[in-house]
Amino acid sequence: AQSVTQLDSHVSVSEGTPVLLRCNYSSSYSPSLFWYVQHPNKGLQLLLKYTSAATLVKGINGFEAEFKKSETSFHLTKPSAHMSDAAEYFCVVSDPNQAGTALIFGKGTTLSVSS
Amino acid sequence: GAVVSQHPSRVICKSGTSVKIECRSLDFQATTMFWYRQFPKQSLMLMATSNEGSKATYEQGVEKDKFLINHASLTLSTLTVTSAHPEDSSFYICSAGGGGVVTQYFGPGTRLTVL
Repeated sequence: AQSVTQLDSHVSVSEGTPVLLRCNYSSSYSPSLFWYVQHPNKGLQLLLKYTSAATLVKGINGFEAEFKKSETSFHLTKPSAHMSDAAEYFCVVSDPNQAGTALIFGKGTTLSVSS
Repeated sequence: GAVVSQHPSRVICKSGTSVKIECRSLDFQATTMFWYRQFPKQSLMLMATSNEGSKATYEQGVEKDKFLINHASLTLSTLTVTSAHPEDSSFYICSAGGGGVVTQYFGPGTRLTVL
């Protein structure tokens, strides 16, 4: 069975400082991994995805994540936080070998950005 | 990216009534649609997987007679909450995918409040 663990339920940073949101996954095969962001009262937006190509994945809004198989991790980073980055972030896993497979969501990490 | 819409965005109903939520893929054919439920400050929990032209597959603990899902076409899936009760109040989100595409596209969600 697949699962994801987001290690921090809440992360607080100052504007302009780096962001690190941690995610570990468990899967019996090479999974597809995603990071989604959810702003208050808005829908989910895909930040980036890993699907067995390059292990360093660049996403929108300056975010990137690195797939590390040896550590079973897919941490999300951004060099410099912006106030607009404050939101809920979900690490997600799916089975790439089955088209149309349901996504498994982590519990989410709330990112707060202070000025 | 592809666009998925949900209607209505918000609905308030009386206890005992039924509510239908529509999920549409606007610019692609979705062979598979998924319905998720999100409680306040919690992650998304998969309710069911809906394949066009066949019966939905429900997750353990989800009552199929209470949450009726119909996926009659490649662009439309509906979720009907029958005999709604206050504990059914939640944020319902659909996603669409399939056809060999790993990425799923999420609708903006529907907030259901049962009085």
